[in-house]
Amino acid sequence: GDSVTQMEGPVTLSEEAFLTINCTYTATGYPSLFWYVQYPGEGLQLLLKATKADDKGSNKGFEATYRKETTSFHLEKGSVQVSDSAVYFCALIRRGAQKLVFGQGTRLTINP
Amino acid sequence: DAGVTQSPTHLIKTRGQQVTLRCSPISGHKSVSWYQQVLGQGPQFIFQYYEKEERGRGNFPDRFSARQFPNYSSELNVNALLLGDSALYLCASSPDTGQAGDTQYFGPGTRLTVL
Repeated sequence: GDSVTQMEGPVTLSEEAFLTINCTYTATGYPSLFWYVQYPGEGLQLLLKATKADDKGSNKGFEATYRKETTSFHLEKGSVQVSDSAVYFCALIRRGAQKLVFGQGTRLTINP
Repeated sequence: DAGVTQSPTHLIKTRGQQVTLRCSPISGHKSVSWYQQVLGQGPQFIFQYYEKEERGRGNFPDRFSARQFPNYSSELNVNALLLGDSALYLCASSPDTGQAGDTQYFGPGTRLTVL
């Protein structure tokens, strides 16, 4: 079945450091890929998405590129801020399917 | 525009009781999905409803049921609660245009604690 694997956390960085959170997936067909962010005590917020190979999603300085050849959708940011501290979830949905399939989440902590 | 709303925010129940959680989708969205998020894990799909019909069901027991109303709001019911049902229950709505990458937008969740 479909699955998403994220790099294990927690990840701790200093402010202004470069961030990469790895995400790989297994799915039949051509899924759409998403990154969601969850701040403490809150629901999920969509961060960015990509719907086809080589698409780049971007938002708030975060970027991720849909790589079909490596089945990956790694999240990157050039300079993180303390306010980026949260749990990040990579997810996929197959065309025509009803359910999002999530990775286990990566907790990110940014220290000033 | 208002986002997805859920009620109540928090709920405490005891084993064996029944609970009803409510969700209102974003205006214009016809599809509502429910997810369970156990602490420290990613959300797991429970149900999706579209135009009042169940369109998908995850691997959850029959104690879990849901319905969608003509105004597209939805309720999730859980009977005979178990300690393992303690989780954050998330509702998501989507416009359901049928196009690739139809995004699901999540509400703040209902935190259910079963004692």
